[in-house]
This record gives sequence, structure tokens and C-alpha cells, in this order.
Amino acid sequence: QQQVKQSPQSLIVQKGGISIINCAYENTAFDYFPWYQQFPGKGPALLIAIRPDVSEKKEGRFTISFNKSAKQFSLHIMDSQPGDSATYFCAARGSNDYKLSFGAGTTVTVRA
Amino acid sequence: KAGVTQTPRYLIKTRGQQVTLSCSPISGHRSVSWYQQTPGQGLQFLFEYFSETQRNKGNFPGRFSGRQFSNSRSEMNVSTLELGDSALYLCASINTGRTEAFFGQGTRLTVV
Repeated sequence: QQQVKQSPQSLIVQKGGISIINCAYENTAFDYFPWYQQFPGKGPALLIAIRPDVSEKKEGRFTISFNKSAKQFSLHIMDSQPGDSATYFCAARGSNDYKLSFGAGTTVTVRA
Repeated sequence: KAGVTQTPRYLIKTRGQQVTLSCSPISGHRSVSWYQQTPGQGLQFLFEYFSETQRNKGNFPGRFSGRQFSNSRSEMNVSTLELGDSALYLCASINTGRTEAFFGQGTRLTVV
């Protein structure tokens, strides 16, 4: 049973456009929400993360928005570049066991 | 600073055999987690080790086991391999505050 639901499954965006990936969770015992980027043949790489006491965090072209009451969070990729083409995973960490529960992933394709 | 090293990168095994995968975490990290990644189930938590002790375990059968050595290196073992065990097995090196997980490139296991 997927504890973190991620959408869309895939998206195509033009170079310079904005990519938006959404995640939702049910378990209120999550205390840390990272996003990972994975290229084919590689392991996931930590991209950006947020704690539930913060509503937004920005690092370069990547922004996480967090809505604690709705139990939703999203990743925005601004000015998308072809090099951003990858699979993105949202995750949530249990506050008691520190286990990461991952979303199903979103494959982003940036067209030049 | 060296990253997470997983060996071997690729393995082909026959049903019924057993396999051992190895992970060397980032220097100074004492916690290691293992995940299984498949197209159908996504990223699923296997177990976590800290100071040679298993701290958490996911919902996998007893055929999946692991251990950690005094130098923090970890191994996972899968016995009596089944076709469904074919997956990318990822090791994550976790920092002292358990706030970040850094993944290796994984071991691609194919069971035939």
C-alpha cells in the first residue's frame, strides 16, 4: 500500500517551462519530506527537502511547496532544462522509525 | 569525499540460488539502509542497520537478510532466489542526524 501518492506519472515540458509534481500522504507521523532525482542507471540523488513547519523552500530552480493541513506537497522546477529530464521521487520519513516511504515516481521529459 | 559504493553493479543468478550484495557507506556514516526498486512496486524499504544492529525492517520475507560490520560496511543476502527478486537493490548511507540519505548506484540483480 503506497503511503505517498505521486502524480502525474509522466510529464513533458518545453525548455524554459515549469514542471510541477504533486504528492499527497495520509500518515501524520511523517516529519521530513525529501525529493530525489534519478537518471537511468544511477541511484536516486537527494535534490531538496522540507520539514512540515515550513511552507516553502527554494534552492536554485527547484522549489518545494508544503501544505500541512491538506497533507500535500509539490515540487516545482522552474526554467526547465533538457538536463532536468529524469525521474523524480517524492518521499516521506517516519518520525518514529525514520523509514523513507517513496512515491511511485514521475518521469519528466524536457523538450529542447 | 567518496560516495556510496555498491558491488557488484550487475548480477545474474538462477532461481533457487542465493546472492550477497555489498555496500560501503560514506566515511563517517554509521547507518545504512537497503531498498528494492522495481518498475511495479517502486522503491521499497528493506532494512536499516546502525552500529552493526538492525534497527528497522520492511515487509519482506525472511529470505532477505542483512548485516553490518564494525567498519559500517553492510551486506544483504537473498536466499532461494525467485524470479520476482529481479530488481535494482539500492543502499543508502545516512548521516549522523538521520536527516539525509545518500544512495549508491545500486546492484542490478537479474534472476533467470
